[in-house]
Amino acid sequence: EAGVAQSPRYKIIEKRQSVAFWCNPISGHATLYWYQQILGQGPKLLIQFQNNGVVDDSQLPKDRFSAERLKGVDSTLKIQPAKLEDSAVYLCASSLEQINEQFFGPGTRLTVL
Amino acid sequence: GENVEQHPSTLSVQEGDSAVIKCTYSDSASNYFPWYKQELGKRPQLIIDIRSNVGEKKDQRIAVTLNKTAKHFSLHITETQPEDSAVYFCAAGTYKYIFGTGTRLKVLA
Repeated sequence: EAGVAQSPRYKIIEKRQSVAFWCNPISGHATLYWYQQILGQGPKLLIQFQNNGVVDDSQLPKDRFSAERLKGVDSTLKIQPAKLEDSAVYLCASSLEQINEQFFGPGTRLTVL
Repeated sequence: GENVEQHPSTLSVQEGDSAVIKCTYSDSASNYFPWYKQELGKRPQLIIDIRSNVGEKKDQRIAVTLNKTAKHFSLHITETQPEDSAVYFCAAGTYKYIFGTGTRLKVLA
């Protein structure tokens, strides 16, 4: 089966600019996750969708980050405006059910200058 | 808040020796405990998982043990090989995971 797809793979922006990431989960996976992984740390959950509804967004900095999952398939994560501390790898993952193996995409490496 | 602590942060072992990584969690409702391996520049991949109704699970050279009373679980890798070198993350949760901080394992040939 095809894996989780993400784009772009790399992005360099200046602080205060905006950026958007795209994720296409594995077909049939109802649950989609966005994680932020700062160098040397474990993935930190930003937002979790079940179909097109938000299950958890308690760690999402809502003043600058937003995410949507239209039609319960693809998802986009946006940062506006970006800060230096947003430099990280943004990982998208999907799973068949909520508490199950998560399959990760290749990630988007964001550098904010 | 919910937290998962992982130790050690780095671990070096000789090829053929065993490696043990330990995690503790704070949320007593946690019922799912996966372990992920992340090679440099690559995505995390599940290597083994255990649910709260099981105390131990083994898959070839990899085993995980769970002590729900003490709220800790461990990953055991036997007969380590150079290709086991990577960062390993534990996680714990119910409908969502909290990841540990990671252990960088180096297997010395």
